[in-house]
Amino acid sequence: GAGVSQSPSNKVTEKGKDVELRCDPISGHTALYWYRQSLGQGLEFLIYFQGNSAPDKSGLPSDRFSAERTGGSVSTLTIQRTQQEDSAVYLCASSFQGTAYGYTFGSGTRLTVV
Amino acid sequence: AQTVTQSQPEMSVQEAETVTLSCTYDTSESDYYLFWYKQPPSRQMILVIRQEAYKQQNATENRFSVNFQKAAKSFSLKISDSQLGDAAMYFCAYTTLFGNEKLTFGTGTRLTIIP
Repeated sequence: GAGVSQSPSNKVTEKGKDVELRCDPISGHTALYWYRQSLGQGLEFLIYFQGNSAPDKSGLPSDRFSAERTGGSVSTLTIQRTQQEDSAVYLCASSFQGTAYGYTFGSGTRLTVV
Repeated sequence: AQTVTQSQPEMSVQEAETVTLSCTYDTSESDYYLFWYKQPPSRQMILVIRQEAYKQQNATENRFSVNFQKAAKSFSLKISDSQLGDAAMYFCAYTTLFGNEKLTFGTGTRLTIIP
């Protein structure tokens, strides 16, 4: 596609439920990133995928968070047993040349846990 | 650990005037990249400008320019001839040159344009 597409745009879930957030990167971009933006904060790195290499999961805040990328394209971020502190905007980005050359971001998914 | 600090939570400027947003960072690396990203209400982060630390020349993109002071670890963004469409959150960000694909962001500055 022409840009990075994220769905859903907004998600309200009850505490304890599992949620899946989807990211469809720009075609041909081998690198895909997930960041979390909590209210009033900057962006916090979560996970990075590059081609067929093992992902860098060093930013995932707990084992309730996981992500996969199928076929080197679409990625899904899963949060199990959601907590209120998981409420944030989850932003996905993709890149052809890597972080040093800048990303193209999606519009994010605003997750609200009630 | 690398940190990025934006000390101005909010700034405002009259339309057509010039405004400067501040950013400082802390790193022990000598080679790295610095960025300014803009986040309008649509939430999509947009790359405004990029600076390579080993280049002395300050980056410029149309009305946007930076003042990069490597020794002082300062990276400010100047917006000239401010327009209503410039209203957004602005984030300063940093990444090292090798082996680290993470961006470290500041907490942002909300820029308001006064008509």
